[in-house]
Amino acid sequence: NAGVMQNPRHLVRRRGQEARLRCSPMKGHSHVYWYRQLPEEGLKFMVYLQKENIIDESGMPKERFSAEFPKEGPSILRIQQVVRGDSAAYFCASSPQGGTPSGTDTQYFGPGTRLTVL
Amino acid sequence: AQKITQTQPGMFVQEKEAVTLDCTYDTSDPSYGLFWYKQPSSGEMIFLIYQGSYDQQNATEGRYSLNFQKARKSANLVISASQLGDSAMYFCAMRDIGSGANSKLTFGKGITLSVRP
Repeated sequence: NAGVMQNPRHLVRRRGQEARLRCSPMKGHSHVYWYRQLPEEGLKFMVYLQKENIIDESGMPKERFSAEFPKEGPSILRIQQVVRGDSAAYFCASSPQGGTPSGTDTQYFGPGTRLTVL
Repeated sequence: AQKITQTQPGMFVQEKEAVTLDCTYDTSDPSYGLFWYKQPSSGEMIFLIYQGSYDQQNATEGRYSLNFQKARKSANLVISASQLGDSAMYFCAMRDIGSGANSKLTFGKGITLSVRP
């Protein structure tokens, strides 16, 4: 059973360009989460999606950032007109369909995409 | 709002010894889950162990155990018989179960552990 897959692993963009980050959840998982990690910091939640629905986007910047999880294909985190402050590691996590009352629905992380904005 | 605090400076441990990594949390919700993740220098996030707020016993997973003290709001990770491969960044995280079992994780800033041969 393949784990969470993210591509590209490394992405370099110039200021003003667009960055598209992809995440394929583990087989059988229909919940996807995106987190951002700045240098020397912990992960910060950005957005939580299920197939074709955004459930919680409370951590997404109001402008330039968007996310989707279509019925077919990977989840996409899109950053328009990137700025140097967007340089970070972006992690995707997935969890199985449906929660458990005990809360043991662990989120499994992909390897991350390291975005560098020049 | 939930908050995770990891304040230890870089930790060092001798190979084969045990080490405790501290984590305190703050939440007003009665139902929550606590997680520890390991991030080696290669960068991936590896799930280690989980503790539910209503679990009666401390969680254990191989060499990892969680010292859960609910009244003190602490969830310290204990690694026994340290190995060189344990050198990594360790993150404590929390999820509020009450708002849905699949809600977001709140992470601490992490602790760097170095295992000496």
